[in-house]
Amino acid sequence: EAQVTQNPRYLITVTGKKLTVTCSQNMNHEYMSWYRQDPGLGLRQIYYSMNVEVTDKGDVPEGYKVSRKEKRNFPLILESPSPNQTSLYFCASSSGQGAYEQYFGPGTRLTVT
Amino acid sequence: GENVEQHPSTLSVQEGDSAVIKCTYSDSASNYFPWYKQELGKRPQLIIDIRSNVGEKKDQRIAVTLNKTAKHFSLHITETQPEDSAVYFCAAIPSGSARQLTFGSGTQLTVLP
Repeated sequence: EAQVTQNPRYLITVTGKKLTVTCSQNMNHEYMSWYRQDPGLGLRQIYYSMNVEVTDKGDVPEGYKVSRKEKRNFPLILESPSPNQTSLYFCASSSGQGAYEQYFGPGTRLTVT
Repeated sequence: GENVEQHPSTLSVQEGDSAVIKCTYSDSASNYFPWYKQELGKRPQLIIDIRSNVGEKKDQRIAVTLNKTAKHFSLHITETQPEDSAVYFCAAIPSGSARQLTFGSGTQLTVLP
């Protein structure tokens, strides 16, 4: 089944404790991205990647890191989480072959206390 | 960068009535305009999209119209049903933006029985 997966789905952590949210897609998509969703603000892009080893900042990259060592994986890293990073996070991918449709993962609900 | 504004933020309609959600965008170079539906607790899913060389597109009860001169596009849902209740997001991709989707803030549509 073609899908985008994220882990963990729910995470409660404390300020300053490094964490990684994994994202994986099995559709051989070139393009992957991370969004955060906050009430009243819609979905805001954090980082995106056009292909392996190619990443770039989105609209709200501060406090986040990403890497794209393999085509299928695009982890989101919070080196020192803060309470303002409490949010719902979505990973998404698209084929990069003239098709723009983005396929979203199930989401990760992160709470930083 | 691109700025997408979406109205209204909430919309209630009687079952069977039509619903219209409107979005405006700022970047005249934008050329792809998708609409995503997000049911409660679920991931956003593409329901319809339109490219800048097309003025209108229909898919059963859903249609999207695009006015490039005025830089706005709209989602029309006819004969609404309870399962249409969800949050709807519009988005835009500026030309040459490397697939950076800019989302509107979302519209909570409630279809009343």
